[in-house]
Parts: sequence; structure tokens; C-alpha cells
Amino acid sequence: DAKTTQPTSMDCAEGRAANLPCNHSTISGNEYVYWYRQIHSQGPQYIIHGLKNNETNEMASLIITEDRKSSTLILPHATLRDTAVYYCIRILQKLVFGQGTRLTINP
Amino acid sequence: NAGVTQTPKFQVLKTGQSMTLQCAQDMNHNSMYWYRQDPGMGLRLIYYSASEGTTDKGEVPNGYNVSRLNKREFSLRLESAAPSQTSVYFCASSEGVGAARNIQYFGAGTRLSVL
Repeated sequence: DAKTTQPTSMDCAEGRAANLPCNHSTISGNEYVYWYRQIHSQGPQYIIHGLKNNETNEMASLIITEDRKSSTLILPHATLRDTAVYYCIRILQKLVFGQGTRLTINP
Repeated sequence: NAGVTQTPKFQVLKTGQSMTLQCAQDMNHNSMYWYRQDPGMGLRLIYYSASEGTTDKGEVPNGYNVSRLNKREFSLRLESAAPSQTSVYFCASSEGVGAARNIQYFGAGTRLSVL
């Protein structure tokens, strides 16, 4: 079972950086880490993914520890529209969604 | 560019009725997926199709059948609906199933109630 561990919920002030942690201590060498988010009851939205190097795109940055046992998703300047459930997923072939972190951005 | 389109958006069924959920993608993706999401839960994979002409079971396939009609379309059929199948159903597509290129794009969902 390809599990990850995330906090159930987090809060962040608007305009600040939101740092979402994820533990995947049993990850294998071929497994990628993917992050998705789900805003309200919409379909999930892809954010970013990586294998071992840190990654950045227009939405977020992904920091993966050297031992690959954990990672952090960073939303650099959170807005109210970033309020969502964020899923950290380790994947070889299929996405397995856990409970995710419910991130609330406060004005 | 519509992405992934699901129909219908809402449906109410009586126990024992059948129905087909439709999904189409216009991104020329090889792989397509069906998930269900129960209240307060993450998504669970029902079936997927790695490429046209192939389908495989996911985590919760019982009570469902699928058809990969062509590269664009992937349908999910409930032959005899049960109240336990009340859920939100999401379709998704990706270039492939390999971990490096498994960026999945999701539809808006179909909200199904079985009475």
C-alpha cells in the first residue's frame, strides 16, 4: 500500500507562504511524488511532481529531502483561492489518494 | 479546449436501475481512468484503461463495467445500481501510466444518488 502521511488540516495567512509537509518514508527508488489539490467539490488539479530533485513551476515548489523520505509543497504567496484539500501521492503506476491536508487560507 | 468532459453532471437512480456515465477527452491522451469519491474521503480508482483496447481493474471494481470505445471515450456502466454506489464519479486522462508522465486531468464529476 503506497501510503503517505500528511497533517489533517493547516491554516495560513493570505500572502504568506504555505508549506505543506508529506511523509513517505517507505518510498522506493522508482516512485515519484505527485501533488494534487481539490478545490471544494471540483475534480482534482495537478500541481507538481518530482523524483529526487527539487522542482518549481508557476504554481508551486516541491522540496524533496535527500533521503526522499519526506517532501514539502510550497505555495509561495497563498491566496484565498488556494483553500483546498492537498494530496501528496507516491506513484509507480496508479494514483492512490489518501485523506490529504485541508488547507485554509485566512484573510 | 474542453479537456475532460463528463455527462451527466447529476443523476438520481432507483435501486436496480442501470446507467452509463460518459467521459470524453480531447487531449489525445492514451490513458483514461474512473474514480469514485465518497463524502470526506479521497478518490478511489474503479477502472482504468492504459491505452485504447485495454482495461484493468482498480481498487473498487465490483458492480461496475467499463468500455474504452475509442481513444477519446471511456464509459462506466452500473448494471444494477445499489445505494452503496451513491458517490461522486470522476473521469481522468493522462498521456500514459508510467510514473514520469502520469499527470492526470480530471473532469468536473458526476454526482450520482441511488435511492
